[in-house]
Amino acid sequence: AQSVTQLGSHVSVSEGALVLLRCNYSSSVPPYLFWYVQYPNQGLQLLLKYTSAATLVKGINGFEAEFKKSETSFHLTKPSAHMSDAAEYFCAVSESDSWGKLQFGAGTQVVVTP
Amino acid sequence: EAQVTQNPRYLITVTGKKLTVTCSQNMNHEYMSWYRQDPGLGLRQIYYSMNVEVTDKGDVPEGYKVSRKEKRNFPLILESPSPNQTSLYFCASSSGLNQPQHFGDGTRLSIL
Repeated sequence: AQSVTQLGSHVSVSEGALVLLRCNYSSSVPPYLFWYVQYPNQGLQLLLKYTSAATLVKGINGFEAEFKKSETSFHLTKPSAHMSDAAEYFCAVSESDSWGKLQFGAGTQVVVTP
Repeated sequence: EAQVTQNPRYLITVTGKKLTVTCSQNMNHEYMSWYRQDPGLGLRQIYYSMNVEVTDKGDVPEGYKVSRKEKRNFPLILESPSPNQTSLYFCASSSGLNQPQHFGDGTRLSIL
């Protein structure tokens, strides 16, 4: 069975500072991993996905995530936060044999301060 | 424009009054799914569909029904809504297994 844990329900970062959002997963088979972003009153948008082609995945808006199998982690980073990065971020995992089941983490709300 | 359209966007109703939330996608996607979003719990999958007439339960299917008679539509049915189904609901579609999902803008349901 798969599960996803996001550490920290709220993160506050200064504009220009590093953004680091943590995601750990458990999976009994090779996973597919995703990061989604949700802006207020909107649906979720894909930031990036990991599908075993490369451990470092680059996404939109300057975000990237690194898959570390030994740590079962898929942390999301952005070198320099922008005010427009304020949103809620969700990590999600799907197992290769899950036939469509997608498990989301509880989400991390990012606040960017001037 | 590629999109997933949900209706209604907002609904306030009473316990026991059947309701349907419609979902339609224009991307010819085979896979569609319904989620509910609750504070502190993230998104939880209610039902999903791999193709027409093929549906399966997600993690929280109790109290919900779905149907997939056409590829583009995947309505969510609450036969007898209860207050614990007050939530924000999202429909999503994708081109296949483990592909990124495209989400609708959400439907906020309040069951009194």
